[in-house]
Amino acid sequence: DQQVKQNSPSLSVQEGRISILNCDYTNSMFDYFLWYKKYPAEGPTFLISISSIKDKNEDGRFTVFLNKSAKHLSLHIVPSQPGDSAVYFCAASLYNFNKFYFGSGTKLNVKP
Amino acid sequence: NAGVTQTPKFQVLKTGQSMTLQCAQDMNHNSMYWYRQDPGMGLRLIYYSASEGTTDKGEVPNGYNVSRLNKREFSLRLESAAPSQTSVYFCASSEAWTGYEQFFGPGTRLTVL
Repeated sequence: DQQVKQNSPSLSVQEGRISILNCDYTNSMFDYFLWYKKYPAEGPTFLISISSIKDKNEDGRFTVFLNKSAKHLSLHIVPSQPGDSAVYFCAASLYNFNKFYFGSGTKLNVKP
Repeated sequence: NAGVTQTPKFQVLKTGQSMTLQCAQDMNHNSMYWYRQDPGMGLRLIYYSASEGTTDKGEVPNGYNVSRLNKREFSLRLESAAPSQTSVYFCASSEAWTGYEQFFGPGTRLTVL
């Protein structure tokens, strides 16, 4: 059973608007969360991370929010750009950082 | 600075054949990983190596073996390929000073007939 879930396989957003990608997890021991972006025929690339001691982390247009009580995290992209069109994976790790558990991904399409 | 490189990029095998996927990183990272990506499943960890000389099983290790040849190289071997191993395979590396961000290679697309 997947410990990290992304329940929306796809999301379509207009350029300039906000994109919100969601991720849920089941293991309350997860200590560290990351978002990756993946273009076709390439490996995933790191986007942003958050530790369980925080509830928000920002990096430019990207903000990740963590709600530990709900076991939920979200990635906000503001404003969305066509170049943001990609598959986004969330991942979670226990304290030892040796194993990372990935969600199934959400394909974001930003329309010009 | 090439980052993480993987060979080959594509491979077609017949059921029962064996092959080794190669991975190398030039970032002096201690930790290396092998994942497979299947539609609707995301990336699943096959094996990882926390440091040179150590390897451990991930979520889906059955049918695979690994070798951490040195700090740079981490190979994945399929001894007797099965159609269920048709997938895209990614190698990754990470280190504490990268914030445990994983750096991924471009992937190997493997088809087992």
